[in-house]
Amino acid sequence: DIQMTQSPSTLSASIGDRVTITCRASQSISRWLAWYQQKPGKAPKLLIYTASSLESGVPSRFSGSGSGTAFTLTISSLQPDDFATYYCQHYNNYSPTYTFGQGTKLEI
Amino acid sequence: EVQLVQSGGEVREPGESLKISCTASGYSFSNYWIAWLRQMPEKGLEWLGIIYPTDSDTRYSPSFQGQVTISADKSISTAYLQWSSLKASDTAIYYCARRSDGRSLDYWGQGTLVTVSS
Repeated sequence: DIQMTQSPSTLSASIGDRVTITCRASQSISRWLAWYQQKPGKAPKLLIYTASSLESGVPSRFSGSGSGTAFTLTISSLQPDDFATYYCQHYNNYSPTYTFGQGTKLEI
Repeated sequence: EVQLVQSGGEVREPGESLKISCTASGYSFSNYWIAWLRQMPEKGLEWLGIIYPTDSDTRYSPSFQGQVTISADKSISTAYLQWSSLKASDTAIYYCARRSDGRSLDYWGQGTLVTVSS
């Protein structure tokens, strides 16, 4: 089974900072990776799919990159609304199965 | 507007059965897979399984195979997640989500809190 590992688990940052969250797969997953944002008491929200495609309506300060086993989510200039937990997720293109990373909590 | 509306929170005792629902609107329900996910208190997201409403093709995570049953009724655009015998460890928020054309999960329900306690 493919395992997804995020780092760091917790990240402290300030308004205006540029932050990067990393996600590593235990084996190559091509670009079959998504990023989600979850705020307390809310359902997750899709930010990025296919590693680097921005979901409609998501601010352009969010970007994703990577392929194979190493991926990053970057927020170019942190806004107050960005403090949340972020999850990476591998999805299998050939069968509808999903694996999540353990999450990164972005704190002020 | 695509919406997934889940049934309300439930409290059950260990050993009881339960079925929660996820009703879709704003798109063709039959043409998109619906996934179910679990989030235990203060924990991350786990994928339980997924169903294709057109033919009820269902896939389960190996971790949840035999523990839950996923079904769908395309005539009322509703997917279900059910347990035959709940355990305290089933206490969690359960989300349904639509699998997009791009394979990620693009629309989510609001979540259903299931509490299992004696």
